[in-house]
Amino acid sequence: KAGVTQTPRYLIKTRGQQVTLSCSPISGHRSVSWYQQTPGQGLQFLFEYFSETQRNKGNFPGRFSGRQFSNSRSEMNVSTLELGDSALYLCASSLEFGNTIYFGEGSWLTVV
Amino acid sequence: SQQGEEDPQALSIQEGENATMNCSYKTSINNLQWYRQNSGRGLVHLILIRSNEREKHSGRLRVTLDTSKKSSSLLITASRAADTASYFCAPGGSNYKLTFGKGTLLTVNP
Repeated sequence: KAGVTQTPRYLIKTRGQQVTLSCSPISGHRSVSWYQQTPGQGLQFLFEYFSETQRNKGNFPGRFSGRQFSNSRSEMNVSTLELGDSALYLCASSLEFGNTIYFGEGSWLTVV
Repeated sequence: SQQGEEDPQALSIQEGENATMNCSYKTSINNLQWYRQNSGRGLVHLILIRSNEREKHSGRLRVTLDTSKKSSSLLITASRAADTASYFCAPGGSNYKLTFGKGTLLTVNP
């Protein structure tokens, strides 16, 4: 079956703009989480959604937001982009607590 | 938090040799997952080991877990150039949040 799918794979945005990234989890998975990966900070947890509810949130400013739809697909949004937001954004999905967490290929965001 | 810390930070070996990397964590866990990441790509899941398991195998991979020492190890036998990647451990606790360390960068020289 298909893995975690993220779109777009690559994008370039200008400072001050906003961006929306999309994630389709593995079929049947209801938990979707997002991570940011940068060379300096490594892999950092952004937030996790389950059945359209945000259950966990990392230490990121309010410019970072997300949502989950009834079909478990998720989007994350970053507003008022800053240069430091340039990163690989990874989405992950899981069937339920305690099960394997699978990651997508990520969305490369470059802010110029 | 259940952040995993991988050791060593970098490991360079010859093709055919075995590679061992370690992971330590601080709090009790329900499970621990190992991931591989090739440069610029997503994380590929390798193995999940539960807190009541001591050892698990998958192909050329062998993972051990010692909850009394709060540590895990990943052994890759007969390494290949294609195994060159960063390896991360992710201890799992009471929620879905994974906290990663800096990983072990494995280089397998042909």
